[in-house]
Amino acid sequence: EAGVAQSPRYKIIEKRQSVAFWCNPISGHATLYWYQQILGQGPKLLIQFQNNGVVDDSQLPKDRFSAERLKGVDSTLKIQPAKLEDSAVYLCASSLDGRAVYGYTFGSGTRLTVV
Amino acid sequence: DQQVKQNSPSLSVQEGRISILNCDYTNSMFDYFLWYKKYPAEGPTFLISISSIKDKNEDGRFTVFLNKSAKHLSLHIVPSQPGDSAVYFCAASEVEETSGSRLTFGEGTQLTVNP
Repeated sequence: EAGVAQSPRYKIIEKRQSVAFWCNPISGHATLYWYQQILGQGPKLLIQFQNNGVVDDSQLPKDRFSAERLKGVDSTLKIQPAKLEDSAVYLCASSLDGRAVYGYTFGSGTRLTVV
Repeated sequence: DQQVKQNSPSLSVQEGRISILNCDYTNSMFDYFLWYKKYPAEGPTFLISISSIKDKNEDGRFTVFLNKSAKHLSLHIVPSQPGDSAVYFCAASEVEETSGSRLTFGEGTQLTVNP
């Protein structure tokens, strides 16, 4: 089966600019996650979708970050305006139905550098 | 509040020897644990998991041990191979079977296996 697709792979922007990331999960996977991984740290959950509804966005900085999952398939994560501390790898993952026993499949991530 | 901790940022072992990666957690509600491996410029890939009702799970060269009373788990790799060199993340989930569970990750341990 095809994996989780993410684009772009790399992005460099200046602070206060906006940026968007795209994720296409594995076909049929109902649950989609966005994680932020800062260098030297483990991935941190930003938002979790179940189909096209938000399950958990408690750690999403909502003043600058937004995410949507239209029609329960693809998802976009946006940052506006970006700050230097947003420099990180943004990982998208999908799961059959959110149950840990089935595991989560991660994409290769988007490396964001804010200068 | 770091609920999942990997206290060793790095570990170096000789090819053929055993690699032991450790992980501690504080949240007693965690009941499913996973190990992920991450190569540079790739997303984390699932390695092995264990339910809280077990104390050991084995898959080929990889064995995960869980000590619930100590809130500690470890990953053993025997024998270690140079291709095992990667960052290993410990992750925990609060609910195993219910839809909507999410993973909390440790900081990761960089394993280097020397030929």
